[in-house]
Amino acid sequence: DAGITQSPRHKVTETGTPVTLRCHQTENHRYMYWYRQDPGHGLRLIHYSYGVKDTDKGEVSDGYSVSRSKTEDFLLTLESATSSQTSVYFCAINSPGTPSTDTQYFGPGTRLTVL
Amino acid sequence: QQQVKQSPQSLIVQKGGISIINCAYENTAFDYFPWYQQFPGKGPALLIAIRPDVSEKKEGRFTISFNKSAKQFSLHIMDSQPGDSATYFCAASWESGGYQKVTFGIGTKLQVIP
Repeated sequence: DAGITQSPRHKVTETGTPVTLRCHQTENHRYMYWYRQDPGHGLRLIHYSYGVKDTDKGEVSDGYSVSRSKTEDFLLTLESATSSQTSVYFCAINSPGTPSTDTQYFGPGTRLTVL
Repeated sequence: QQQVKQSPQSLIVQKGGISIINCAYENTAFDYFPWYQQFPGKGPALLIAIRPDVSEKKEGRFTISFNKSAKQFSLHIMDSQPGDSATYFCAASWESGGYQKVTFGIGTKLQVIP
């Protein structure tokens, strides 16, 4: 187990409500990522972080914001959830134990349903 | 728009058969090609990976074949087993802005039937 957890694992919410998903790592890795997984689209990058307070947008960032105040925590916020944000969300870090960021190591995912 | 085109989207193979999943790309800046395996309810996990300076990499029953000139690569699973039933993603990565970016194919759901 590479030491990456996500919370909550499941969440059902209503349209228009704010939602925050948490990713926690114990590997002290600099790079962290948020992806969403949808049928027919594979994994798409939402936002990523390359250090504390250093974040940038991915290919599907609209409607999402992130924050990283500590190395170990990367938060994904949906300011006002919409039904199109119903998805499975994965956090990832670069592979533990290697200096390379080539390979992603994924958390167990959060299944979010927006009604 | 997918930067890595993966096919087929679903695949059914008999136990003991060969499973083949194909991917194609256009961006010549890609320098690392991993395959990820995902079981239901779990996150994807690295299965095997290759760099473009080699044409084949084998790890147990899993082999990546890489054709740089055609910009194609494929995953072969020999002697497929029911336990191989999972979703497989090909991916490609490249360096941009000082770190590696990754793009994924849409995934192939493999079912190995006894």
